Amino acid sequence: RKEVEQDPGPFNVPEGATVAFNCTYSNSASQSFFWYRQDCRKEPKLLMSVYSSGNEDGRFTAQLNRASQYISLLIRDSKLSDSATYLCVVTSNTGKLIFGQGTTLQVKP
Amino acid sequence: EPEVTQTPSHQVTQMGQEVILRCVPISNHLYFYWYRQILGQKVEFLVSFYNNEISEKSEIFDDQFSVERPDGSNFTLKIRSTKLEDSAMYFCASNDGPGGYTFGSGTRLTVV
Repeated sequence: RKEVEQDPGPFNVPEGATVAFNCTYSNSASQSFFWYRQDCRKEPKLLMSVYSSGNEDGRFTAQLNRASQYISLLIRDSKLSDSATYLCVVTSNTGKLIFGQGTTLQVKP
Repeated sequence: EPEVTQTPSHQVTQMGQEVILRCVPISNHLYFYWYRQILGQKVEFLVSFYNNEISEKSEIFDDQFSVERPDGSNFTLKIRSTKLEDSAMYFCASNDGPGGYTFGSGTRLTVV
């Protein structure tokens, strides 16, 4: 089983749509969880941390279910500028980041 | 906003040559990392560095790789004898422990 698993997509959505990404992770001892955004040939940039209570940042909502080892990201009212690859990331027991393959989002006018 | 700086942005080298990738982490950060991303694949951990020594390394980080912090600011990754399969984006990152990681903009290494 992959350490962090994501649907690679691509997800093609019209502007204004709501889109949800899912992720599962294998290590139940993981302590920290993140969504990163990566634009083509650029470095990963932190989008948001993910907490068990769920957290929201503007149009973005992240959820964590530790029992199911499942993480989600919801993007509301998609913008053209949201087009990117979204990386689900967890920390190992030792603190290093473990990345998923990424889910590609293309928002079209 | 503080940033992690990497040089060069693009390096082309012949197979078998040595390359050194350079990074300047954020000055008050204590933990330093190298990750790599082969085109079309996921970001992979290579090595972590703390208190002037390697704290963890992956299976990818074999004897051909080494890291060094030669002074108070630079953090380097050396590949002794490059192979075609070393072609990738190499990202340096740093963090201060409890805080989030900051990644550099990467070095694209092309081995020909």
